[in-house]
Formats: sequence, structure tokens, C-alpha cells
Amino acid sequence: AQRVTQPEKLLSVFKGAPVELKCNYSYSGSPELFWYVQYSRQRLQLLLRHISRESIKGFTADLNKGETSFHLKKPFAQEEDSAMYYCALSGLPNSGGYQKVTFGTGTKLQVIP
Amino acid sequence: NAGVTQTPKFQVLKTGQSMTLQCAQDMNHNSMYWYRQDPGMGLRLIYYSASEGTTDKGEVPNGYNVSRLNKREFSLRLESAAPSQTSVYFCASRDMNRDRGYEQYFGPGTRLTVT
Repeated sequence: AQRVTQPEKLLSVFKGAPVELKCNYSYSGSPELFWYVQYSRQRLQLLLRHISRESIKGFTADLNKGETSFHLKKPFAQEEDSAMYYCALSGLPNSGGYQKVTFGTGTKLQVIP
Repeated sequence: NAGVTQTPKFQVLKTGQSMTLQCAQDMNHNSMYWYRQDPGMGLRLIYYSASEGTTDKGEVPNGYNVSRLNKREFSLRLESAAPSQTSVYFCASRDMNRDRGYEQYFGPGTRLTVT
């Protein structure tokens, strides 16, 4: 079974403070991991994916297979980062579970001015 | 290029009524998904379709049926709506191109209330 755990429902930080949104996963094969963001009253959109190792809007995430984690980090929070963040998991293509994409329960990030 | 579209945007049903949520994508993606979003529960997968003509159950399929009508369209049907199905429903399609990172594209959502 594949599972994604986001332990924090709400994370409040001051503007300029560092941000870390936690994501742990359970998956028997090699995972593909993603972070999606949902701004108020908008549809979900991809923030970043582990396969491309990119930084988007100052956010980064590193896959730690030993700790089965994919935490999202940003060194200095901005007010426009306030949103709902979801971690998601699927298998690699050509593996049994690659079509099924499982999401965590989400973390609401609130950046206080 | 409209991306993923969903109709209707809002719907109120009485318990026991039926309805179909429509989803269409114009990106030529093979994979399509239906999720429901509830406070504190995140997004839960209802059904998905890896390609035209195939569908599979997700985490919470009970009370729902789906039809992959063609490559573009994937509909979700509630045969006998229950208050527990009050939720926001999202449709998504997925790009299985490695260079584009297997991204899912989401529709704007349908807010369903069952009284």
C-alpha cells in the first residue's frame, strides 16, 4: 500500500522566517514524489517534483529514501506563500503502481506579516 | 488550450438523487483521475483511468461509478447521493512524459452539497 503522511495541519511562520513542511511516505518500490500547492479558491498546481530537482519560488525538496521523507523547505517565507500544500506519491513508470497518485492530508501554511 | 474543465461548478442534491460530474481534458493525456477533497482529509482518490477503456478503484470508490467515454472525457456518477458525499470533487489528468515530470493537471473543482 502507498501512503503519504503530512503531520501538520497548520503551520504559522513570520515573514522572513524559514519554512519546513514535512512529508513522509510509505511505498514498497521506487517512488515519484511531488509537492502541489493550492492558493485560495484556485485549483491545485504543481510546485515541484523530485525527479527534476528544481527550485520553484524559492522552495526546494530533497528525497531522503533512508528516512522516507520529502520535506519542503524555503529559507525565507513570503506572504504570498500562504496556501495549502499537498505532498503526493506515485510509483515510477513501468512499475505496478505508477498510475495511482496518492496525496497527503495537506498542510496549511500561514505567513504572518 | 483549456486544460482540464469540469461541469458543473456547484450542485445541490437531495439524498437519493443521482447526478453525473463531467470532466474533459484537451492535452491528449492518457491518465485521468477523480478525487474528493474534504477538510482534514486532504485529497482522496475515488477512481482513475490509465487509458481509454480502463478504470480502476482508488481509496474511496464506494457510492461512485465512472465512465471513460473517450480519451478526452472521464465522468463520475453518484447513483444515490448521500450527505457523506458532500465534498469538493476534482478531476485531473496526467502527463506521462518523463521530460515533463509526470505532472498532474487539475480542474477547477465541483462543489457538491447533499442535503
